[in-house]
Amino acid sequence: DTEVTQTPKHLVMGMTNKKSLKCEQHMGHRAMYWYKQKAKKPPELMFVYSYEKLSINESVPSRFSPECPNSSLLNLHLHALQPEDSALYLCASSPAPDGNYGYTFGSGTRLTVV
Amino acid sequence: QQPVQSPQAVILREGEDAVINCSSSKALYSVHWYRQKHGEAPVFLMILLKGGEQKGHDKISASFNEKKQQSSLYLTASQLSYSGTYFCGTEIEGTYKYIFGTGTRLKVLA
Repeated sequence: DTEVTQTPKHLVMGMTNKKSLKCEQHMGHRAMYWYKQKAKKPPELMFVYSYEKLSINESVPSRFSPECPNSSLLNLHLHALQPEDSALYLCASSPAPDGNYGYTFGSGTRLTVV
Repeated sequence: QQPVQSPQAVILREGEDAVINCSSSKALYSVHWYRQKHGEAPVFLMILLKGGEQKGHDKISASFNEKKQQSSLYLTASQLSYSGTYFCGTEIEGTYKYIFGTGTRLKVLA
């Protein structure tokens, strides 16, 4: 299995809703990432999990809450989002967090906040 | 600290060649290259780790200059499937923070 699987593919949520994005990989990768991508822009790093521990939080608002229940699974919990949070949310994984390996990206969740 | 890519956009005819540059004011720890088609995830193309390194597969290759401040991606005899946005990326050394360059939109016409 050489894929990163993200669900759901599309999500529309109200500003008072609570929802979660899910990311799964079975490649034995020990680093997992959340990126946010706006249209026609490069992906922006949000969180890095290294060996199942949160190692980087790029000053992301607390309405985004990451969770790594095990080495294969990464969640992003969403609560009280704003319309400007609408974007493509990408999950990625890498064998290790040291930048010496390419990243495998999931196909993303396209989030719309209404 | 974000690497700057040039050109921002390029349009080619099938069979033409293209070069995409990725530059930084500081030495890059490593350089990754990705292609992202509209509405899809970025796809890893290759990684360069050492100054002076060159590598490639099929008709896509890349180089990393000796000072590790510039990398170039070479697309030879372009095909329609090469269309997309190309990103270089790098780790901010010692931080595990991986950031992407500004991106280059490439369109290949029949």
